[in-house]
Amino acid sequence: GAGVSQTPSNKVTEKGKYVELRCDPISGHTALYWYRQSLGQGPEFLIYFQGTGAADDSGLPNDRFFAVRPEGSVSTLKIQRTERGDSAVYLCASSLGTSGDEQFFGPGTRLTVL
Amino acid sequence: KQEVTQIPAALSVPEGENLVLNCSFTDSAIYNLQWFRQDPGKGLTSLLLIQSSQREQTSGRLNASLDKSSGRSTLYIAASQPGDSATYLCAVRHRETSGSRLTFGEGTQLTVNP
Repeated sequence: GAGVSQTPSNKVTEKGKYVELRCDPISGHTALYWYRQSLGQGPEFLIYFQGTGAADDSGLPNDRFFAVRPEGSVSTLKIQRTERGDSAVYLCASSLGTSGDEQFFGPGTRLTVL
Repeated sequence: KQEVTQIPAALSVPEGENLVLNCSFTDSAIYNLQWFRQDPGKGLTSLLLIQSSQREQTSGRLNASLDKSSGRSTLYIAASQPGDSATYLCAVRHRETSGSRLTFGEGTQLTVNP
């Protein structure tokens, strides 16, 4: 595609529910990243994929968060037992490879946990 | 741990003014530095990418410089326009970090008044 796309654009859920956020990277980009941005803050790294495998998941805040990229393209970020503190904008980015390539970001998914 | 600071947090200028946004980072062992623009409720748009071996990059009215040894970068915007109003974020990729994760500053919110 022309750019990174993310769905849904907005998600409102209740505390304790499970949510899935989807990211479609730019075609041909092997590297994919998830970040989380709270209001008034810069994005914070969550997880990075190279191909199908999670090369670095050290940014995931706890075991309620999990992400997959089964075919090396689309990725899904999964959050179990959501908490109000999970409310944020979740951003996805992709790059051609690694080695310092420019990262291109999607529009984000705004998650609100009531 | 790499920390990125942006000064000022907010800036308001009249149209036509030249301006400088500042970014500093604590660990000079970076691979590259990237400047982004973020419009309200939107994702990040990449503006300029400077590799650690470079001193500056230019794109139109934008010029970004990098002084790795002192841990500083500046984004210069010439002849500012109301359409430049947005939040500007800088991010660094640390050389020792696997997989190109970016560490972001908190951003500078720029308002250009007509």
